[in-house]
Amino acid sequence: ETGVTQTPRHLVMGMTNKKSLKCEQHLGHNAMYWYKQSAKKPLELMFVYNFKEQTENNSVPSRFSPECPNSSHLFLHLHTLQPEDSALYLCASSQVQTLYSNQPQHFGDGTRLSIL
Amino acid sequence: QKEVEQDPGPLSVPEGAIVSLNCTYSNSAFQYFMWYRQYSRKGPELLMYTYSSGNKEDGRFTAQVDKSSKYISLFIRDSQPSDSATYLCAMQDGNKLVFGAGTILRVKS
Repeated sequence: ETGVTQTPRHLVMGMTNKKSLKCEQHLGHNAMYWYKQSAKKPLELMFVYNFKEQTENNSVPSRFSPECPNSSHLFLHLHTLQPEDSALYLCASSQVQTLYSNQPQHFGDGTRLSIL
Repeated sequence: QKEVEQDPGPLSVPEGAIVSLNCTYSNSAFQYFMWYRQYSRKGPELLMYTYSSGNKEDGRFTAQVDKSSKYISLFIRDSQPSDSATYLCAMQDGNKLVFGAGTILRVKS
């Protein structure tokens, strides 16, 4: 497989369930990202990992818990979500950004999450 | 004021038309400018990537950046029905990538 792969593609869960989203990149990148995409809104950055270390948490509620065991895998653990959390969750990867170079991000196809 | 403003459309054009998509922004620190294309039920795909002001051409696509006006454009020549998608502008400063809300483009055959 190539690129950035996300599973599952669709997820329906109740507010009391616990589930996890998975992302895997095959691009040799060392930075990974979680974004939330809601209808008619810009993508919202949630978390950034550089070399497996979390470098940014964009004021995300604690019901979202990321995990990055290595540079190729990223998880988003979900528990007690709210209906407003229904959205498309996108994973992206890139080389780590530096002051002297910009590294474009490459996205997976996302997980469509619906909270009942 | 939003950091990046982008008209959501939809923009509907006939096949073969020249399409102009635009974004304005407020943060003068942005140095890198990108356009992503997102088809329905897919993730954003990097289309064009430019640094600072100027033009960049790739096939039927031309990206323009005017930093003095804080304005970027994407032109699509000879538009095709397969160009129908949502086009997202994005701007980067370090690790921070800020997106516009996207413009829906429909090219009718």
